Amino acid sequence: GENVEQHPSTLSVQEGDSAVIKCTYSDSASNYFPWYKQELGKGPQLIIDIRSNVGEKKDQRIAVTLNKTAKHFSLHITETQPEDSAVYFCAASSGSARQLTFGSGTQLTVLP
Amino acid sequence: KAGVTQTPRYLIKTRGQQVTLSCSPISGHRSVSWYQQTPGQGLQFLFEYFSETQRNKGNFPGRFSGRQFSNSRSEMNVSTLELGDSALYLCASSFGLASDTQYFGPGTRLTVL
Repeated sequence: GENVEQHPSTLSVQEGDSAVIKCTYSDSASNYFPWYKQELGKGPQLIIDIRSNVGEKKDQRIAVTLNKTAKHFSLHITETQPEDSAVYFCAASSGSARQLTFGSGTQLTVLP
Repeated sequence: KAGVTQTPRYLIKTRGQQVTLSCSPISGHRSVSWYQQTPGQGLQFLFEYFSETQRNKGNFPGRFSGRQFSNSRSEMNVSTLELGDSALYLCASSFGLASDTQYFGPGTRLTVL
C-alpha cells in the first residue's frame, strides 16, 4: 500500500519568513495530493491540493509543488503569520483507492 | 453551506462497552469516510461509504463497523472497546466517487477507561 513520509516533524520560523514542508510517497499510482491544517481541538482543514497532471499550484501565500519523477511534493508558506501556527498534514491517494494516506504531520510554530 | 457535523463531540466509555458515532456530511455530498487519529499511529483510514454501500475498508479489526443511510448520514460503531481505541474519530465527506476532495468534521474524542 501507499506510504507517505513527511519532514520535518517540527518547524519554527520567525513571523514574515517562509516555511517549507516536504513529503514523499511510494505508490506511483497516486494522483491526488492534498494538504491539511489542523488546529488544536479541530478537524483537519483542507488548505490546498494538487493533482498529478499539475506541477505547481498557488493560492495567495500558499503554494504546493509536485515532482512525480522523484515522488515528492512540498508545501510552501510565504510571509508567515502567527495564525499559521498549527499541525500540517500531507496526504496522497490514487484513483482506484480513494482513501487518503497521511504523513505524520509537521508542527509549525510562527514566532512573533 | 454547513460543514461536516459529528456527534457527540466527546465520549467516555469503559472497556468492553460499545459506542456509536454519528456523522452528517456536507449537503449534497454522498461519500463519507472515517478516520482514526491517535498520537502514535497518526491519521488512519477506517472505511468509506457511498450510496449506503461500503466501498473501501482499512486495516482495522471487525469490531469497527459502519453504515450509511439514504440521506448520506453515516454512523460508525465500535464494539467491545479496548483502551487502545481511545482516539479522535474523524468523518470526512466528499461529493462522490469521482471527487477526491474530502472535507473533515471536528471529530469525536473517544476516551476508553
